[in-house]
Amino acid sequence: GESVGLHLPTLSVQEGDNSIINCAYSNSASDYFIWYKQESGKGPQFIIDIRSNMDKRQGQRVTVLLNKTVKHLSLQIAATQPGDSAVYFCAATYNFNKFYFGSGTKLNVKP
Amino acid sequence: DAGITQSPRHKVTETGTPVTLRCHQTENHRYMYWYRQDPGHGLRLIHYSYGVKDTDKGEVSDGYSVSRSKTEDFLLTLESATSSQTSVYFCAISDSTGTTYEQYFGPGTRLTVT
Repeated sequence: GESVGLHLPTLSVQEGDNSIINCAYSNSASDYFIWYKQESGKGPQFIIDIRSNMDKRQGQRVTVLLNKTVKHLSLQIAATQPGDSAVYFCAATYNFNKFYFGSGTKLNVKP
Repeated sequence: DAGITQSPRHKVTETGTPVTLRCHQTENHRYMYWYRQDPGHGLRLIHYSYGVKDTDKGEVSDGYSVSRSKTEDFLLTLESATSSQTSVYFCAISDSTGTTYEQYFGPGTRLTVT
């Protein structure tokens, strides 16, 4: 199986600052990872993904970093905005059928 | 938004009663998933389907069964609901394109077992 954990249950940042949300996984065979954003009362929404043959991937205002040596990945959000306030989950898989999710980090953006 | 609906959206039921939750998709995606979400546990996979009549267990499948008789519908059944099954249930769909395995989630069903 796989065990995925997030380092902080809550993260508070000032509007305009950069945010970094961390995630650790246990199975070295995991080779595909996704970050999701979940707003209150809604289902998770895809943000960005990364395969194990990459160590960095960038999207619009977001960057995911993958360190396979220590089985760690992070989500960086640039110039954090109030609309970024949500719970963020990472998910990992080694067979593309079953995904294992972390417990989530709640991001609070202070105006 | 991906065409995923869940019904009912809210349900309160008594311990010992059977409950069926429905997930319906209009995307013709091959894979369908049922997750439960509880505080401190994130999302945990209950069952998933990789085609009509093809299903497999997830990490928390005890007490749950599923059925998929057609591509668009995936049913989750609690044969005899218990208070520990009080949770928010999410359905998800995906269809590998070879480059991404993104899962699209439904709006969730809040189930309370009293």
